[in-house]
Amino acid sequence: DVKVTQSSRYLVKRTGEKVFLECVQDMDHENMFWYRQDPGLGLRLIYFSYDVKMKEKGDIPEGYSVSREKKERFSLILESASTNQTSMYLCASSSGQGSQPQHFGDGTRLSIL
Amino acid sequence: AQTVTQSQPEMSVQEAETVTLSCTYDTSESDYYLFWYKQPPSRQMILVIRQEAYKQQNATENRFSVNFQKAAKSFSLKISDSQLGDAAMYFCAYRSARRADKLIFGTGTRLQVFP
Repeated sequence: DVKVTQSSRYLVKRTGEKVFLECVQDMDHENMFWYRQDPGLGLRLIYFSYDVKMKEKGDIPEGYSVSREKKERFSLILESASTNQTSMYLCASSSGQGSQPQHFGDGTRLSIL
Repeated sequence: AQTVTQSQPEMSVQEAETVTLSCTYDTSESDYYLFWYKQPPSRQMILVIRQEAYKQQNATENRFSVNFQKAAKSFSLKISDSQLGDAAMYFCAYRSARRADKLIFGTGTRLQVFP
């Protein structure tokens, strides 16, 4: 089974802090994704990566950056956290082949005070 | 741009009964994939079922089946013999066959199951 592991289930940070959310997958997947989930809005794509050191902006990249130095690890960075970034963050990975689905981590509930 | 619409924010069903969750999508493409994901209170998104647009036959996975109407751009999920463990948020999602990256989600339907 594919395992996608997010480093924290709950995180509380202060406004202006630099925040790192880490994600690791164990299936050698090419593609990795960061989503933000808010009630009534579904999941919105922040950034994705299709290879090491490659990244593309999703639908809501403002205020975020990402890093993929190794194939199995994809980090989401909030450069200067703001209260409107309080949300649930989901990481996913996929092979991208055919109808193969994305596999998700457990999510990180991030609160910015 | 492609969009996915789930018009039922909440649904409820009695144990052992059948429930259908609706999903419609908008696309100009002919080759794509559709997915239903389940997110229980424990939070991990789990794939329930998938459908390739080029297949006319509706996908089934045990108690879960879909009604895929390509011309109507409709992709509903039917849950038969509902169980308490089926209570969750259900998300419909679309992915173009041309792009392995972008998965477009609906806003979700919260399903409650009553004993």
